[in-house]
Amino acid sequence: DAGVIQSPRHEVTEMGQEVTLRCKPISGHDYLFWYRQTMMRGLELLIYFNNNVPIDDSGMPEDRFSAKMPNASFSTLKIQPSEPRDSAVYFCASSSSGRGHGYTFGSGTRLTVV
Amino acid sequence: AQSVTQLGSHVSVSEGALVLLRCNYSSSVPPYLFWYVQYPNQGLQLLLKYTSAATLVKGINGFEAEFKKSETSFHLTKPSAHMSDAAEYFCAVSGVSGGYNKLIFGAGTRLAVHP
Repeated sequence: DAGVIQSPRHEVTEMGQEVTLRCKPISGHDYLFWYRQTMMRGLELLIYFNNNVPIDDSGMPEDRFSAKMPNASFSTLKIQPSEPRDSAVYFCASSSSGRGHGYTFGSGTRLTVV
Repeated sequence: AQSVTQLGSHVSVSEGALVLLRCNYSSSVPPYLFWYVQYPNQGLQLLLKYTSAATLVKGINGFEAEFKKSETSFHLTKPSAHMSDAAEYFCAVSGVSGGYNKLIFGAGTRLAVHP
């Protein structure tokens, strides 16, 4: 199993540009989570999906952020337009149903907005 | 509702010394508890988990944690620290609310190991 795959690993973009982060969850996992990690705020849950349906997006900071999961093997997190304060590491994680499974995290995308 | 408190945002130990990272939880249902480790420039990796079986749980890299219901604690220990243990450690509790599975993470403890 290749684990949760995120791309790109690093992204540098200019303020105002659109940024798209990608995630491929583990096959068979029916939950997918997007997190943001910064020194100031730590680990923040942005949104999560169950069976490709967004369940809770209350952590999405602004309307500039959007996430989709068109099928069970792919999800995107888009920021449009990007701002310097969006600079962070963005993690995707997936999980099976049931409380005892925990999450499997991807390696993250380090986003820098200049 | 569930919550996790990790005591000490930074812990420093000497190589070979005992590692003790503290985690206290609050949960309205019997808790499932997890410890994750994050090495520099990597994602979070599961170290160990408690799912209501044995109260002493052994994980990878020589770490273990003991679930103590009376103290609402799930502290992480390792008898002898290695330089390679330097990382950030997160405690998490799993609750079920509204039919979904959600982990509540603590703020993390950064472990430094010095020679």
